[in-house]
Amino acid sequence: QVQLQESGPGLVKPSQTLSLTCTVSGGSISSGSYYWSWIRQPAGKGLEWIGRIYTSGSTNYNPSLKSRVTISVDTSKNQFSLKLSSVTAADTAVYYCARTFITGWFDPWGQGTLVTVSS
Amino acid sequence: DIQMTQSPSSLSASVGDRVTITCQASQDISNYLNWYQQKPGKAPKLLIYDASNLETGVPSRFSGSGSGTDFTFTISSLQPEDIATYYCQQYDNWYTFGQGTKLEIK
Repeated sequence: QVQLQESGPGLVKPSQTLSLTCTVSGGSISSGSYYWSWIRQPAGKGLEWIGRIYTSGSTNYNPSLKSRVTISVDTSKNQFSLKLSSVTAADTAVYYCARTFITGWFDPWGQGTLVTVSS
Repeated sequence: DIQMTQSPSSLSASVGDRVTITCQASQDISNYLNWYQQKPGKAPKLLIYDASNLETGVPSRFSGSGSGTDFTFTISSLQPEDIATYYCQQYDNWYTFGQGTKLEIK
């Protein structure tokens, strides 16, 4: 079955760019009618959708983050990536990647990766 | 933005109890509502989609109902392994989640 795994630096300095990659295994990122999303969760808090990408490269972002977010896909590597610019301490969170059904739910999710913004 | 309000924010119940969590949307979202279970240190897991459809492999003690703005998630007989935080999520207009309901054993 499809599995997702996030990777990237666990510590980012304020004002810099957070970069994460999600590797999809057990199936092709290009097969089926799915989007691929990034979602984050600050410690002890709720879930916030960041954005999604279709394998055509078409993207949609949370309006509250749109000015700072870029999501891209590399179908040859079966990966998609997140870049979040000008980070502050408020961007400290566990970041998840997830397959997103056209019909609107997230399944499965990666295990998540903690990114801390600190100097 | 569609706001999702869950209640209660925390809940303590005994094994075998019937547990109910509610989720209210700030506007009509039809049945575009999903429920997830998140255990400590783990990623959320899809339990219910389209308000009332049980995901494959999820125990039948879990159920969901509702449409429009008011939704309910029920565990018919609480088991120790159900200790988790539960989230609702709408997909009528992008995606937003409720703030979560932390379920504990009494």
